[in-house]
Amino acid sequence: NAGVMQNPRHLVRRRGQEARLRCSPMKGHSHVYWYRQLPEEGLKFMVYLQKENIIDESGMPKERFSAEFPKEGPSILRIQQVVRGDSAAYFCASSPRVRQTSYEQYFGPGTRLTVT
Amino acid sequence: ELKVEQNPLFLSMQEGKNYTIYCNYSTTSDRLYWYRQDPGKSLESLFVLLSNGAVKQEGRLMASLDTKARLSTLHITAAVHDLSATYFCAVATNFGNEKLTFGTGTRLTIIP
Repeated sequence: NAGVMQNPRHLVRRRGQEARLRCSPMKGHSHVYWYRQLPEEGLKFMVYLQKENIIDESGMPKERFSAEFPKEGPSILRIQQVVRGDSAAYFCASSPRVRQTSYEQYFGPGTRLTVT
Repeated sequence: ELKVEQNPLFLSMQEGKNYTIYCNYSTTSDRLYWYRQDPGKSLESLFVLLSNGAVKQEGRLMASLDTKARLSTLHITAAVHDLSATYFCAVATNFGNEKLTFGTGTRLTIIP
């Protein structure tokens, strides 16, 4: 069973370009979370998605950032008109269907975005 | 707003010594996680603590949870160089939404 997959692993964009980050959850997992880690800091929650639904986007910046998790295909985090402050590692995590007890999240290898 | 604080932020210790990392959080929760992160790498799950008084051990690491005190500890016994990494605790508070709030991290360096 393959783990959480993210691509690309490294992405370089110039200011003003768009960045698209992809996340394929583990097989059987229908919940995806995106987190951002700035250099020398902890991870910060961005958005929580289930298939075709955004459940919680309270951590997403109001502008330029969007996320989706379509019925088919990977989850995508899209950053429009990138700025230097967007340079960070972006991790996605997946978990199986939530029942009464919690399920831990399994993290992907991350995408390291550098804005020049 | 949930706040999660870890201390110390930096820890340098000699091989063979024992030490404890503390994780305090501000809101009621009974689900706490510990992760390890090596430089430039992703997060590796260490422990999942789901109830008050939970204690789990793996090798030289032992984690515990006191939900009444809103405190978790990660205890390192007889440290070895391989344990050098950054350790994060993370808290989830809402069933149905498992988003995690992470602590600031503790950067642990084990000196031979």
